[in-house]
Amino acid sequence: DAGVIQSPRHEVTEMGQEVTLRCKPISGHNSLFWYRQTMMRGLELLIYFNNNVPIDDSGMPEDRFSAKMPNASFSTLKIQPSEPRDSAVYFCASTSAGWVSPSGNTIYFGEGSWLTVV
Amino acid sequence: KQEVTQIPAALSVPEGENLVLNCSFTDSAIYNLQWFRQDPGKGLTSLLLIQSSQREQTSGRLNASLDKSSGRSTLYIAASQPGDSATYLCAVMIGQAGTALIFGKGTTLSVSS
Repeated sequence: DAGVIQSPRHEVTEMGQEVTLRCKPISGHNSLFWYRQTMMRGLELLIYFNNNVPIDDSGMPEDRFSAKMPNASFSTLKIQPSEPRDSAVYFCASTSAGWVSPSGNTIYFGEGSWLTVV
Repeated sequence: KQEVTQIPAALSVPEGENLVLNCSFTDSAIYNLQWFRQDPGKGLTSLLLIQSSQREQTSGRLNASLDKSSGRSTLYIAASQPGDSATYLCAVMIGQAGTALIFGKGTTLSVSS
């Protein structure tokens, strides 16, 4: 399997522009997560989908951020308008665990999208 | 609110040393605890997963322990090698709302040859 695939790997954009990050989870996984990583705050969970339905978006910082999962094989994270403080690495991850899974299946991460807003 | 803390933030050791990385969490109501490795510019790779009912897990030179009652976990690395140099993160999967994994900020390990 190719693993979790994210695009773009790197993006530099100007403040105010729209940014769209994309993710293809591992085939067969029914849970998808978007995380943001910064030096100051570490890894923060932004939003979590189960069976394509957003379950918990309490980590989304503000209305400028939105995420969609139109089907089981694709998700987007959009920032509009972007600001310099959005500069971070955005990770997508997937697992076959359910909403609450005592088995705690292994979670697989993509290699991240490195976003710089200038 | 669950908080995960990792100490130390950075660690440098010579090759061959045995070492311990520490992780603590504030709420013992967890489903499991996982240890991950992150190489520079890369994503995270799962190393070990300990269910809440377990005390430890082993994989090769790695051994992770879990003490839920005290809110602590340790990752033991035996006979460290330069290839072990990376950032190690622990994460807890919390219950009730099932809001996925809550991460510590990691320990950056450097093993010199």
